[in-house]
Amino acid sequence: SAVISQKPSRDICQRGTSLTIQCQVDSQVTMMFWYRQQPGQSLTLIATANQGSEATYESGFVIDKFPISRPNLTFSTLTVSNLSPEDSSIYLCSVVPRSNSGYTFGSGTRLTVV
Amino acid sequence: AQSVTQPDIHITVSEGASLELRCNYSYGATPYLFWYVQSPGQGLQLLLKYFSGDTLVQGIKGFEAEFKRSQSSFNLRKPSVHWSDAAEYFCAVGDFSGAGSYQLTFGKGTKLSVIP
Repeated sequence: SAVISQKPSRDICQRGTSLTIQCQVDSQVTMMFWYRQQPGQSLTLIATANQGSEATYESGFVIDKFPISRPNLTFSTLTVSNLSPEDSSIYLCSVVPRSNSGYTFGSGTRLTVV
Repeated sequence: AQSVTQPDIHITVSEGASLELRCNYSYGATPYLFWYVQSPGQGLQLLLKYFSGDTLVQGIKGFEAEFKRSQSSFNLRKPSVHWSDAAEYFCAVGDFSGAGSYQLTFGKGTKLSVIP
């Protein structure tokens, strides 16, 4: 199965700033996704990262707040912009390998906004 | 739209006891079902998955799950719980048919506590 390297693993940011999270996969994958897990909650899909085109956002998530890039089949970034304390969450990258064997998750980025 | 219900928010069992975590799903086509475990401060680890075939699926760490189409259920079981199994467990449904979006929908999770 695919191995994901997600960076940073955690960060503490000032409100009003931005954080960019990187997701690097060791093999080409079919799909890449970004999820948010708010404290004590389940995972919510933010968007599907599309290679070479704009990401597909779920209801309640917008590109201005969560810009996503996917320049190739193994790499994506998620930026959380104009941070507020409500953005404090774990953000996870997920991929579907070309084998279609299931979803693999990165270890997550724990963001705290102060 | 697909959805997943985990009726139990928190379950406490004694070490060595058996465990069953419930999961019900709603999905219009053949479901692709997953169980993940998340230890505190960690990412998600796949325990097992069901795509097709045998409805009793074996996973890692001694877990198994049974797909029951008539009940729209995919309950997770373990015959003897270990203290290290204390974690949060998420059931999820996805679409690998090729016609769908491959999105994964999660239940709200069940937190498992283990009494020594």
